Amino acid sequence: IAGITQAPTSQILAAGRRMTLRCTQDMRHNAMYWYRQDLGLGLRLIHYSNTAGTTGKGEVPDGYSVSRANTDDFPLTLASAVPSQTSVYFCASSEGLAGGNEQFFGPGTRLTVL
Amino acid sequence: GQNIDQPTEMTATEGAIVQINCTYQTSGFNGLFWYQQHAGEAPTFLSYNVLDGLEEKGRFSSFLSRSKGYSYLLLKELQMKDSASYLCAVRDSNYQLIWGAGTKLIIKP
Repeated sequence: IAGITQAPTSQILAAGRRMTLRCTQDMRHNAMYWYRQDLGLGLRLIHYSNTAGTTGKGEVPDGYSVSRANTDDFPLTLASAVPSQTSVYFCASSEGLAGGNEQFFGPGTRLTVL
Repeated sequence: GQNIDQPTEMTATEGAIVQINCTYQTSGFNGLFWYQQHAGEAPTFLSYNVLDGLEEKGRFSSFLSRSKGYSYLLLKELQMKDSASYLCAVRDSNYQLIWGAGTKLIIKP
């Protein structure tokens, strides 16, 4: 079934630990995105990738890094987790940036940093 | 700064019509999106507007006025399954989406 998968579904993490959230899409979309969603706030872009091999910083990139080695995978790494990174993380993809290209979202990862 | 405003919560009755408003101030404009998000789930695409006017898709319609920085989502013949949050997002000059905090819609029988 075509779509986006994320892993893990949820995670409780001790502060200071390193964590990688995985995201894979099978739609051959060029663009991929990582968002965080916090209560009372809109989705905020962390990092994005317009095409394989390129990445860019979004609105809230500090404390996070990404890589885009191929079209399908776009992992998000927290180098040293802090409690303020407790959030729901959504990965998304779109065919392109312009026009009516909608973003398709994965099911999300619920991360708690203690 | 960039800003998307929409009401926090609205309540409507099953079978009725509801209009969810969105106003925006962004650096550039390259289209406006509406998404639906059920509790605990991912957002799903509803509509896209880039030109002024009304776009109709079944029970849902979306309107855009670029000169006023304003959009609304109109939901007709409300069903209980329409209880969800509705997210307004604007694509800015960098082709990134700026998201509103969402409007939680509660449908009562």
